[in-house]
Amino acid sequence: TQLLEQSPQFLSIQEGENLTVYCNSSSVFSSLQWYRQEPGEGPVLLVTVVTGGEVKKLKRLTFQFGDARKDSSLHITAAQPGDTGLYLCAGVYNDMRFGAGTRLTVKP
Amino acid sequence: GAGVSQSPSNKVTEKGKDVELRCDPISGHTALYWYRQSLGQGLEFLIYFQGNSAPDKSGLPSDRFSAERTGGSVSTLTIQRTQQEDSAVYLCASSLSSVLNSPLHFGNGTRLTVT
Repeated sequence: TQLLEQSPQFLSIQEGENLTVYCNSSSVFSSLQWYRQEPGEGPVLLVTVVTGGEVKKLKRLTFQFGDARKDSSLHITAAQPGDTGLYLCAGVYNDMRFGAGTRLTVKP
Repeated sequence: GAGVSQSPSNKVTEKGKDVELRCDPISGHTALYWYRQSLGQGLEFLIYFQGNSAPDKSGLPSDRFSAERTGGSVSTLTIQRTQQEDSAVYLCASSLSSVLNSPLHFGNGTRLTVT
C-alpha cells in the first residue's frame, strides 16, 4: 500500500498541451517535495512546499500544496519534450517516503 | 563538486549469492538514505541514517538486507542469499541537514540483476 498516491500513473501528451498531476495521502505532511527522474539517473529535486495552501512557480511548472497539507499538485503549462520523465512526490514523515510517480511523455 | 557516488553501476549475480552495494555521499552530508526502485516503479524506502543516531531500518524487506554507515560517511548495503525478486535499481541519497525537508541528492543507482 502506497502512503502517497500519485495520479495518473502514465500520461502521454503533445507538445504545447497543459497537464496536471496529483499527489494524495490520508496523512498530513510536514512538507512535501517534487522530484523529476530521467532514465538511468537518480531523481532531482524540483521544489519543496511547506505551508498549507502554498503555491510555487518554477518557469512553466506550478506546484500547489493543499490547505490541509495532505495533497499536492503539479501543473505544467505548454509542455515540451524536455519535460518528459518520471515525476515523484515525496512526503516528510519520520523519514522521506515517495509515491509511485507519474510517467510523463511529451511528444514533439 | 562531487555528487553522490554509487558503485558498482551494474551488478549481475546468481541467486543465492551475497552482494554489497556502496554509496559515497556528498562530503559533510549527515543524512543518508537507501531506496529500491523496481522497473517503472517509484522509490521504496529501505533505511535512513542520520548522524550518530540509530538508523531507521523500518523499510528493510527482510533480514537478508542490512546496511552500515562507517564514520558517518560511506555506506554499504548488503543483500545476503539474493533472490530474483531483489532485482531492482538501488538508489542512495544524502542530505546536508538533519531537517527532514532538506533536499535529497541522489546517486545514479546500482542496477542489480539476480539470475
